[in-house]
Amino acid sequence: NAGVMQNPRHLVRRRGQEARLRCSPMKGHSHVYWYRQLPEEGLKFMVYLQKENIIDESGMPKERFSAEFPKEGPSILRIQQVVRGDSAAYFCASSPPTSPYEQYFGPGTRLTVT
Amino acid sequence: GQNIDQPTEMTATEGAIVQINCTYQTSGFNGLFWYQQHAGEAPTFLSYNVLDGLEEKGRFSSFLSRSKGYSYLLLKELQMKDSASYLCAVTINTPLVFGKGTRLSVIA
Repeated sequence: NAGVMQNPRHLVRRRGQEARLRCSPMKGHSHVYWYRQLPEEGLKFMVYLQKENIIDESGMPKERFSAEFPKEGPSILRIQQVVRGDSAAYFCASSPPTSPYEQYFGPGTRLTVT
Repeated sequence: GQNIDQPTEMTATEGAIVQINCTYQTSGFNGLFWYQQHAGEAPTFLSYNVLDGLEEKGRFSSFLSRSKGYSYLLLKELQMKDSASYLCAVTINTPLVFGKGTRLSVIA
């Protein structure tokens, strides 16, 4: 059973460009969470999604950031008009429908904005 | 707000025992997790405490006191591969609220 998959593992974008981060949950998992880890900081919750629904986006910046988890395909975290402060590691986690606290993390996408 | 505190760094000797403390003040509580994270890698699950007391799993044990807002992770028979960051996280609703992590260095 493959774990949580994220791609790309490393992404470099210039200021003003768009970044798209993808997350495929573990098989059988229908809940997806995105977290951001800034250098020397803890993981910060951004958004919690189920298929076709955003359940909790209280940790996501109101502007430039959006997330989706379509019926088919991976979950996407999109950052528009990236700025240097967006440089961070973005981790996706998934959980089974019966155990939302049982979160398994993907390897992360390291975004560098130049 | 939510506040989770743990020491920033610790150093311990190979073969020894180390205890990493975590205190929390949060608006709710549904359980406490410990994760291990090696540099540049994903956090991996170590333990989950929802009731007071000690949970033992091999070389790792985790303790929780809900009345004191306190947990610790105990690592025995330290090995060099245990050098990593150890993250304390609290579940309030569903998303995890993480501390900043404790960077443990195991030395020979």
